Amino acid sequence: EPEVTQTPSHQVTQMGQEVILRCVPISNHLYFYWYRQILGQKVEFLVSFYNNEISEKSEIFDDQFSVERPDGSNFTLKIRSTKLEDSAMYFCASAFQETQYFGPGTRLLVL
Amino acid sequence: GQQVMQIPQYQHVQEGEDFTTYCNSSTTLSNIQWYKQRPGGHPVFLIQLVKSGEVKKQKRLTFQFGEAKKNSSLHITATQTTDVGTYFCAGRTQGGSEKLVFGKGTKLTVNP
Repeated sequence: EPEVTQTPSHQVTQMGQEVILRCVPISNHLYFYWYRQILGQKVEFLVSFYNNEISEKSEIFDDQFSVERPDGSNFTLKIRSTKLEDSAMYFCASAFQETQYFGPGTRLLVL
Repeated sequence: GQQVMQIPQYQHVQEGEDFTTYCNSSTTLSNIQWYKQRPGGHPVFLIQLVKSGEVKKQKRLTFQFGEAKKNSSLHITATQTTDVGTYFCAGRTQGGSEKLVFGKGTKLTVNP
């Protein structure tokens, strides 16, 4: 069964550094999403992406965040200058219509 | 902004007992989805409800969407140890929004 994959599974970085989280959505899906989940808390929407552009973003998704679909298969989330509070699990999801399929996540730790 | 409240936060049951989690939105929803997240895992889609008053069943799981499309519930009959995990509801507001707003989840533990 096709699934969403994410790399790396874990990332440790220093505050102020840039990180790029990578996702490979399910191949025929058209809608792509990033979510984050701070440890023990709820899943929070960051951004949705459709037709090669951001369709919606939350208040969390500020100028430090950007997304890209550079080559038609990968979907990346970049955090330009990480803060301590960016430490969380980041989930990518993709959808053909309404049902979203989540990847296994990247656990980001900012020191 | 839109908020989705979910109760209870935790539920401990003996295997074989029933379990229910409730979800309530501050705004009318276009649809509501339910996800299960096992410890250390990622959210896995369970079901989507779209119509007012809709009831859907998946084996021992019964999902309900309120008449006003602002609340929903998930009921598990005769829990098993494999039901352990956190159950999240996630609502999408009317008006074509892409954004899914998740509740805080109900963490279910089942004692064998």
